[in-house]
Amino acid sequence: DTAVSQTPKYLVTQMGNDKSIKCEQNLGHDTMYWYKQDSKKFLKIMFSYNNKELIINETVPNRFSPKSPDKAHLNLHINSLELGDSAVYFCASSQVGQAGPNEQFFGPGTRLTVL
Amino acid sequence: GEDVEQSLFLSVREGDSSVINCTYTDSSSTYLYWYKQEPGAGLQLLTYIFSNMDMKQDQRLTVLLNKKDKHLSLRIADTQTGDSAIYFCAERQAGTALIFGKGTTLSVSS
Repeated sequence: DTAVSQTPKYLVTQMGNDKSIKCEQNLGHDTMYWYKQDSKKFLKIMFSYNNKELIINETVPNRFSPKSPDKAHLNLHINSLELGDSAVYFCASSQVGQAGPNEQFFGPGTRLTVL
Repeated sequence: GEDVEQSLFLSVREGDSSVINCTYTDSSSTYLYWYKQEPGAGLQLLTYIFSNMDMKQDQRLTVLLNKKDKHLSLRIADTQTGDSAIYFCAERQAGTALIFGKGTTLSVSS
């Protein structure tokens, strides 16, 4: 029944490694997002995909590469992990292009710790 | 300013009212939102207000919007310990992504 799911929930890894976080939504939404929440709880948009196409790419290092194999999935691959990448990463989805508040539904988050 | 601003902390006693304030940046934002994040959890939409409204009430929650000053507030009546969480105001600018404030940590003591 989970609307937006992310795996893994926790990820602990060494600096320099490459890792992926997966996100899936079963709401039939056409737009998916990745947000980063740092240690001070500040939340910022990283990427947004609409119908598998990248529409927002904030000033994120190119070590971060989102991949959307289909509308229901938006995965985040991170190369050469750095200490500053430690954060909680949230996936979200919404249905854009219709009247109304376009509520974004958030996943439970993936806590990434880089040692 | 460029950022959505919120005070970072609010502490109240159980049964009191809580008021969380926010100043947003984009006067063309169509909707403004309040999200709640409980410890160790994701974000949950608490309520939202359409920009042509100046007030919205939903049970214990009252949202006030002052478009002239770009000021948004969330009032929680009869605050309970279960209301302890971080509250984020957010606006949706051009495109679809949400721009969040820094979050207000509400602490409710019994």
